[in-house]
Amino acid sequence: DTGVSQNPRHKITKRGQNVTFRCDPISEHNRLYWYRQTLGQGPEFLTYFQNEAQLEKSRLLSDRFSAERPKGSFSTLEIQRTEQGDSAMYLCASSLGGAPRPQHFGDGTRLSIL
Amino acid sequence: RKEVEQDPGPFNVPEGATVAFNCTYSNSASQSFFWYRQDCRKEPKLLMSVYSSGNEDGRFTAQLNRASQYISLLIRDSKLSDSATYLCVVNTDKLIFGTGTRLQVFP
Repeated sequence: DTGVSQNPRHKITKRGQNVTFRCDPISEHNRLYWYRQTLGQGPEFLTYFQNEAQLEKSRLLSDRFSAERPKGSFSTLEIQRTEQGDSAMYLCASSLGGAPRPQHFGDGTRLSIL
Repeated sequence: RKEVEQDPGPFNVPEGATVAFNCTYSNSASQSFFWYRQDCRKEPKLLMSVYSSGNEDGRFTAQLNRASQYISLLIRDSKLSDSATYLCVVNTDKLIFGTGTRLQVFP
């Protein structure tokens, strides 16, 4: 399978714990994006990388969130001191270059905070 | 005001019906436009790009009016398998999604 891969698929954790998600983009794609989706809403942009450089961060990305893409390949998204409002689907997408090219999404990681 | 606004839905239509979804966007600097389809608890999947000249892919036709900042999707001869949420998306280097319109096709 050469699509975007995310893991874990599901994560259940207690409030206050730290969690980390991983995304492996399509191999030749230099752009990698993180989005968050809550029930009944469309995905919302969080941040994106071009190669290893983080080029933009949404105001939704509080200081408890950090994303990295150290070698320009896979990326991690960490949430520290999780809160119930962090419960959502976290989606990763990749593309070859920016607009106008479409982005291709992974299956997502569903986070549930108890 | 949301950057991308879509018909609220849901749309419940019989098989074989024609259904149209509309969408408006506020950022005139938007560079490209798409419709994505999302099945329940799944990731969004690209349905089609949208061009100013209009484009068609089988039963699906998309239109873009840059002057009015308006995007549409027409589905002809609806199938049960078309039941999903359809997301209107504009691309400004990051994707800006509408909230989606739920389509339910019934036998």
